[in-house]
Amino acid sequence: AQSVTQLDSHVSVSEGTPVLLRCNYSSSYSPSLFWYVQHPNKGLQLLLKYTSAATLVKGINGFEAEFKKSETSFHLTKPSAHMSDAAEYFCVVSDLGGNSGGYQKVTFGTGTKLQVIP
Amino acid sequence: GAGVSQSPRYKVAKRGQDVALRCDPISGHVSLFWYQQALGQGPEFLTYFQNEAQLDKSGLPSDRFFAERPEGSVSTLKIQRTQQEDSAVYLCASSLGTSGSGETQYFGPGTRLLVL
Repeated sequence: AQSVTQLDSHVSVSEGTPVLLRCNYSSSYSPSLFWYVQHPNKGLQLLLKYTSAATLVKGINGFEAEFKKSETSFHLTKPSAHMSDAAEYFCVVSDLGGNSGGYQKVTFGTGTKLQVIP
Repeated sequence: GAGVSQSPRYKVAKRGQDVALRCDPISGHVSLFWYQQALGQGPEFLTYFQNEAQLDKSGLPSDRFFAERPEGSVSTLKIQRTQQEDSAVYLCASSLGTSGSGETQYFGPGTRLLVL
C-alpha cells in the first residue's frame, strides 16, 4: 500500500523569502517521488522527481527537494519565492505496487496552495 | 501534437445523461492513465492502459464508468447515467514506457464536468 501526506493545505510567504512545502510518504516498495505544480486553469506540470539516484533533486524554476528515507519525507524548497510561484503543488508517490504487470501505482497528495505576498 | 490533449474542455450534463470524454496522448506513449480530481482535492486514479489493454480499473467508482483505448492511442472515458457526485475535473496522462516507478506522466488540461 502507498500513501502521501501533504502537511499543509495552504502556505503563505512573502516574495523573496524561502518556500518550504512538506510531504511525507509511505510505500512498501522502493518508491519514486514527484512534485507537480498546477496553475489555475492549467494542466499539471512536473517540477522534479526522485528515482533512486541522488537524494537531492533539482527541478525547474529554482525548486529542489531532498529524499530522506529515514524520515519518509520529500519536502519541496525554494530559496526565494517569486510571484509566479503562486499555484497548487502536489506531491506524488509512485511504486510498482507488487503488481504482476510491473506498471506504476500512483497516489497524489491532497495538495498545498502556495500564496506569495508582494 | 506536442502534448496530451483532451476534449471537450468543459461539459455540462443533466443528471442521467451519458457523457464521453476524449484523450489524445502524446504520440508513441504506451501508457495512459485517467484520474478524477474533485474540487479542492488531489487527482485520484481511475484506470490504466498499456497500449490497448486495460490493466487496472480498480479506481473506477462504479459500473457506470467505462474506459477504452481500442487502437492503443486515443482513449475515451464514458460515464453513463451521470450523477451530481460525478462533477469533477477528469485528467488524462500518458507516459512513454511500460514499467518503472520513475516514469514521468504528462498531463492533459483536463475536462471539467458539471452535472446538474
